[in-house]
Formats: sequence, C-alpha cells, structure tokens
Amino acid sequence: RKEVEQDPGPFNVPEGATVAFNCTYSNSASQSFFWYRQDCRKEPKLLMSVYSSGNEDGRFTAQLNRASQYISLLIRDSKLSDSATYLCVVNSARWGSQGNLIFGKGTKLSVKP
Amino acid sequence: DTAVSQTPKYLVTQMGNDKSIKCEQNLGHDTMYWYKQDSKKFLKIMFSYNNKELIINETVPNRFSPKSPDKAHLNLHINSLELGDSAVYFCASSPPMLVAGSNEQFFGPGTRLTVL
Repeated sequence: RKEVEQDPGPFNVPEGATVAFNCTYSNSASQSFFWYRQDCRKEPKLLMSVYSSGNEDGRFTAQLNRASQYISLLIRDSKLSDSATYLCVVNSARWGSQGNLIFGKGTKLSVKP
Repeated sequence: DTAVSQTPKYLVTQMGNDKSIKCEQNLGHDTMYWYKQDSKKFLKIMFSYNNKELIINETVPNRFSPKSPDKAHLNLHINSLELGDSAVYFCASSPPMLVAGSNEQFFGPGTRLTVL
C-alpha cells in the first residue's frame, strides 16, 4: 500500500460546484496532515492544515478520520481560480524532530465556466 | 522579496556532466529540504538539513550530494548526470517545529533539469 494515496482525477466541474477530494495514508503513527495546492509548473503551497476536529477556511473544509486513516478536502462554490492539483500531505514527525513530508500524487481539479 | 530562491530555473545538460543547483532562503528557517518531482508529478523528498546538519537522506544515488555552507543555503550537486535525473527539483525550508509536524514548508520555484 502506498504511503499516501489519492484519486488522481482529473475532476472536471462547473463553476459553483462543490467538489470533494479524498486521501488515505498507511502509517497510523502519522501526526500531522496537510493539503497543499500546486498550480501548473509552479511550486506547492500550503492550502491548509488538517486537524482532528476538522477545520474550515472560507470555502474550504478539511476533515481527518484517524481511525480510518482518511483525510478529505471539500471545496464549495468552486471558482475558476481553484483549478490546480491538490496534494494530500502527511508528516510522520515525532515530537521535537523534523520529520519528512510524504506527498500524495495529487488530485487534479479543473473548474470550467 | 523572494522567500526561497533557486538557481538556475532551467538546466539543460548532457549525460555524464556534473551540475549544481543553488538554493537560498531569507526566512530565517533552520531546516531546508530538497525534493524531486518526476514526470509523473510525484513529489518525493531527497534530503533534509537542520542548521547545516543532514537529518534525512532518503534512498538517493550517491551521485547526489547536498552541501549546506550555512543554514540559509542548501545546494545540490549532481555528478555523472543520467537521463533518469530529468525532473523538477524543489528546494524548501521550514521553521523550527514547535508542535510536532505542524510547521509549514515553503517551496522555491523549482529547477527544471533536462538531461539529454
């Protein structure tokens, strides 16, 4: 089983649609979880961290289910500018040490007018 | 002001050559990283340095040698380049980890290496 797995897509949705991305991770000891966004031919940038209680940032909602080792990202009212690849990222760091980020292959989203 | 910068942005070279990619961050971070993103867009860590000391060295051929002259710089030297080295190489940095694993990593713009 891959360390971080995502549906590669592409997801082609109209503007205004709600779209959900899912991700599973294999290491039950993983402690921190993130969604990064990568535009075409650009570097990845942090979109949001994912907390156990779930968290929301505007139109974006992230959820974590530790028991199922599952992370999700929901985008409401999608905009053309949301078109990008969304990377599920897991950090297996132990307390006080710099762990490495493990990236999923990403889910490509294309929002159409 | 550029937070994490890399040079060059594009690098085209012949097989067998030796090349270097430079990375600098002006964020005052202690930890720096090198990632490789291959043609299938899979982003994988290669190395991590914390305050000039190597802390992560993933399974990378020893033709790849990182060098950190100070904590603001992490350069990547590649010997005897091979076709399979063609990829985008990203440098990144992160602040000290105050809460386990919660720190953000800031990426440079990438260096697109093409080996002919």
